[in-house]
Amino acid sequence: NAGVTQTPKFQVLKTGQSMTLQCAQDMNHEYMSWYRQDPGMGLRLIHYSVGAGITDQGEVPNGYNVSRSTTEDFPLRLLSAAPSQTSVYFCASGGAGGELFFGEGSRLTVL
Amino acid sequence: GIQVEQSPPDLILQEGANSTLRCNFSDSVNNLQWFHQNPWGQLINLFYIPSGTKQNGRLSATTVATERYSLLYISSSQTTDSGVYFCAVSTGNQFYFGTGTSLTVIP
Repeated sequence: NAGVTQTPKFQVLKTGQSMTLQCAQDMNHEYMSWYRQDPGMGLRLIHYSVGAGITDQGEVPNGYNVSRSTTEDFPLRLLSAAPSQTSVYFCASGGAGGELFFGEGSRLTVL
Repeated sequence: GIQVEQSPPDLILQEGANSTLRCNFSDSVNNLQWFHQNPWGQLINLFYIPSGTKQNGRLSATTVATERYSLLYISSSQTTDSGVYFCAVSTGNQFYFGTGTSLTVIP
């Protein structure tokens, strides 16, 4: 019962470094999405995808890239990390019924 | 985007007490969900409830879509209910979250 799996769980970067947060789901969901959670601000949508080859921007897309080459995987790329990207990142997938299922989160610190 | 307001922002209860959490949203939606974020940070689905009423054990939820609000009821609260409760709404592919209600249940 893996569900939605995110890696890594923790990461520390220096300003300007790049990295990829991985997200994989085994529920055959077409919909996948990335959120960031900052103190006192709830979750905000970064990017989402409604199927392989299809991605779109959410509320806060600047500084992040995504791609969706398979149904299972939806990686989030930070090309040049900034301290403002220090946050907890959550990946979620959703089935036809509309329910979202979240991964356990990835805590990123940018120094 | 859709504005989502949750109240109260903070709530402290004695174990065994009941509570009602509210979620107001600014536009018509076709998807509304309640989540519990436990003290370890995990987000757990409670209810998918774009309209109507659902119950699951000590928890129940009601959404009145025409009046743009949803309520989450917690009865006989337990310390394991502590955490942050989020409401999320959507009209399509973009979900909007409220800032949550932080619940602390004291033994």
